[in-house]
Amino acid sequence: GAGVSQTPSNKVTEKGKYVELRCDPISGHTALYWYRQSLGQGPEFLIYFQGTGAADDSGLPNDRFFAVRPEGSVSTLKIQRTERGDSAVYLCASSLRRLPGDTQYFGPGTRLTVL
Amino acid sequence: AQKVTQAQTEISVVEKEDVTLDCVYETRDTTYYLFWYKQPPSGELVFLIRRNSFDEQNEISGRYSWNFQKSTSSFNFTITASQVVDSAVYFCALSGDYGGATNKLIFGTGTLLAVQP
Repeated sequence: GAGVSQTPSNKVTEKGKYVELRCDPISGHTALYWYRQSLGQGPEFLIYFQGTGAADDSGLPNDRFFAVRPEGSVSTLKIQRTERGDSAVYLCASSLRRLPGDTQYFGPGTRLTVL
Repeated sequence: AQKVTQAQTEISVVEKEDVTLDCVYETRDTTYYLFWYKQPPSGELVFLIRRNSFDEQNEISGRYSWNFQKSTSSFNFTITASQVVDSAVYFCALSGDYGGATNKLIFGTGTLLAVQP
């Protein structure tokens, strides 16, 4: 079946603008995750959804970052007043269940560049 | 605090050589999960293996094998007879016992493996 998909694959924006990044998880997966990967680093956790609710948003760096998953499937990561330091690859992952240690499958990522 | 250390930043080998990628983890949880992912130049993270803390059996899958040792908090990954297609960044990751509150992964900084023909 289809894997996790993310759109757009690349996004270039100017400092101060608002951006939305979309994630479509594997069909039937109940859990969804967002991570951010800076150059030369491992992915860093941002937020975890169980169904429609954000179960853990402890990784969001500040209140400019927000994510939603209104129907328990597609999720959107929203960044307000973007800064150059927000430039990174934003990865989305999904897992079948909410069980501890459930395997997460990753999408191809969205490369965000803030000029 | 939980932490994953991949001390090898880059490794370069010649095709057909065996290579071992090291992973050392820190956690206070008795129940935890360890993972390896591969990130080829295309950028997408590809799942390789998942191991829980109660299963210390080593695992072999084709040319890949994993050595889990709780005594040294290590989960090392060996590629036998490496091939050019194995060239990628490899990440080790840890998920703890969060009591259902979360399921986040803690990643190491990755090891870049370059296999020369």
